Amino acid sequence: QVQLQESGPGLVKPSQTLSLTCTVSGGSISSGDYYWSWIRQPPGKGLEWIGYIYYSGSTYYNPSLKSRVTISVDTSKNQFSLKLSSVTAADTAVYYCASFTMSRAFDIWGQGTMVTVSS
Amino acid sequence: QSALTQPASVSGSPGQSITISCTGTSSDVGGYNYVSWYQQHPGKAPKLMIYEVSNRPSGVPDRFSGSKSGNTASLTISGLQAEDEADYYCSSYTSSSTLKVFGGGTKLTVL
Repeated sequence: QVQLQESGPGLVKPSQTLSLTCTVSGGSISSGDYYWSWIRQPPGKGLEWIGYIYYSGSTYYNPSLKSRVTISVDTSKNQFSLKLSSVTAADTAVYYCASFTMSRAFDIWGQGTMVTVSS
Repeated sequence: QSALTQPASVSGSPGQSITISCTGTSSDVGGYNYVSWYQQHPGKAPKLMIYEVSNRPSGVPDRFSGSKSGNTASLTISGLQAEDEADYYCSSYTSSSTLKVFGGGTKLTVL
């Protein structure tokens, strides 16, 4: 059973870059069965899709964040990563990594990691 | 404002049935059979409950069912149980550059 685990700093200063990593266990990130995704949820609010990446490196981003987002994959470590630049308080959220199936659904989620943007 | 519209809250008594609607457009819900539903308990990650409009992943009780008519998708929970109290989000593929949209979420209260 595939499991996902997010890791990274819980506090980022305004204007800096948020960096998170998602480690995939119980399966290969290169299997081709999934796109690997990032989703966020501001406190008390709904879900927002950030983007996803295929093991080959093809990426798809939410246009509202595209200018600031980079998602990359490291198949040797079975990990994929998120970088969000020029962060503001509006980027404060729980960040989830998730697998995205060919049925266009997020079927496996990490537990989520809270990232606060504050000086 | 979310791309998909859900009621902010619904409620029901144990044993009853409730339905949560999710309204979009012909560019998302109405145009594709890629509607999914997620259950989220407080402090927890969302859990996939329905995919491709009406399919249940393994392990999801058959009390949960999904359907679609035109630009509106629906999640029905029958035989409500206390553990069903949670937030529910719909999501759809969209032909717009956004690719993936969520509803604003619906808080289900089991009375």
